[in-house]
Amino acid sequence: RKEVEQDPGPFNVPEGATVAFNCTYSNSASQSFFWYRQDCRKEPKLLMSVYSSGNEDGRFTAQLNRASQYISLLIRDSKLSDSATYLCVVRLGSGNTGKLIFGQGTTLQVKP
Amino acid sequence: GAVVSQHPSWVICKSGTSVKIECRSLDFQATTMFWYRQFPKQSLMLMATSNEGSKATYEQGVEKDKFLINHASLTLSTLTVTSAHPEDSSFYICSARQGVASGRASYNEQFFGPGTRLTVL
Repeated sequence: RKEVEQDPGPFNVPEGATVAFNCTYSNSASQSFFWYRQDCRKEPKLLMSVYSSGNEDGRFTAQLNRASQYISLLIRDSKLSDSATYLCVVRLGSGNTGKLIFGQGTTLQVKP
Repeated sequence: GAVVSQHPSWVICKSGTSVKIECRSLDFQATTMFWYRQFPKQSLMLMATSNEGSKATYEQGVEKDKFLINHASLTLSTLTVTSAHPEDSSFYICSARQGVASGRASYNEQFFGPGTRLTVL
């Protein structure tokens, strides 16, 4: 079983749509959680951290359910520029140590 | 955010040759650097973690004698793929993390380099 699992998609949605991505992780020792965005043939870039209380950044909302070991990302009012691969990432270990474990990524294609 | 550079951005080489990839943190000191590999349509896989001045820690299944990592300074780490073969063709990405700032306990973001695309013929 993969440590971080995501539906690879692709998700094809029209502009303005709301789309949700899900992710599950297997290691209960995971301490921190993130969503990264990766454009084609580019490096991943941090989109947002994910907290148990849920957090929002503009059109993006992230949720974490530690009991279910489940993470989600909601994108509202999709833009063409949101087209990318979204990586669910967990960090093992506490404090500032620990390594990042990446999911396979979910590909989003927003169409006009 | 902080800037991490990689050089070269792409390289094509013949089977059996060695390739060196450099990773530099341009505006901060990176006590820890990470090397990842990403095959098409797959996730980033951590290859090794290196701390400045000490030996790298390799992930299970990664041959340390094939993938030589040197982290000689706080701003430079190198990955050398020795005797490269076509199956080593991949996207190699480095990442750098700052040391813990005094009085701060929050997560120190890892900053990723732009990646190096290696093709071995």
